[in-house]
Amino acid sequence: GIQVEQSPPDLILQEGANSTLRCNFSDSVNNLQWFHQNPWGQLINLFYIPSGTKQNGRLSATTVATERYSLLYISSSQTTDSGVYFCAVIAYSGAGSYQLTFGKGTKLSVIP
Amino acid sequence: KAGVTQTPRYLIKTRGQQVTLSCSPISGHRSVSWYQQTPGQGLQFLFEYFSETQRNKGNFPGRFSGRQFSNSRSEMNVSTLELGDSALYLCASAGDAYNEQFFGPGTRLTVL
Repeated sequence: GIQVEQSPPDLILQEGANSTLRCNFSDSVNNLQWFHQNPWGQLINLFYIPSGTKQNGRLSATTVATERYSLLYISSSQTTDSGVYFCAVIAYSGAGSYQLTFGKGTKLSVIP
Repeated sequence: KAGVTQTPRYLIKTRGQQVTLSCSPISGHRSVSWYQQTPGQGLQFLFEYFSETQRNKGNFPGRFSGRQFSNSRSEMNVSTLELGDSALYLCASAGDAYNEQFFGPGTRLTVL
């Protein structure tokens, strides 16, 4: 099956710093999503981005599908940005179905 | 529009028992997928339902089963619980499986 690798696995930032999270995937995908998992476990949608660049406030994402990677940028980080960030790809899995395959996540800690 | 709801939020069971978890998707969404999250294995796909049909199943034993009703609500059942079934179970809702997925808050299952 498709492999999704995220880097770095852990990241510690001072409040106000910028960061880039990377997601590599091993095969063609139909779509890609970035999530933030809050301390209670809920996955919050950040971006749905098969290709190109999107921005939402201090966050932006770029997917280069032809080169099989996506980047998530966090600017001027805040303590509330702490948590685990997941990249997940949507790919065809047969019988008319698709499924999300997740990376292992990047654990971000923003310290005051 | 109401989000994805999951009940119950927390469950404690003992080995050998069975459990049923429920997921109500976003109104109008017909695809419901289930995922298991554990510290060791990360987020793993369990199965996907669309219009009451299971279209795809992940690599889990037959003790894990599910169904979907005509109103798109879904249930998953785990029989003969094992300690290793302790996990956060997440449900995702989408118009179809290749569309953007939206997750519920999860059910945290503890097996003693």
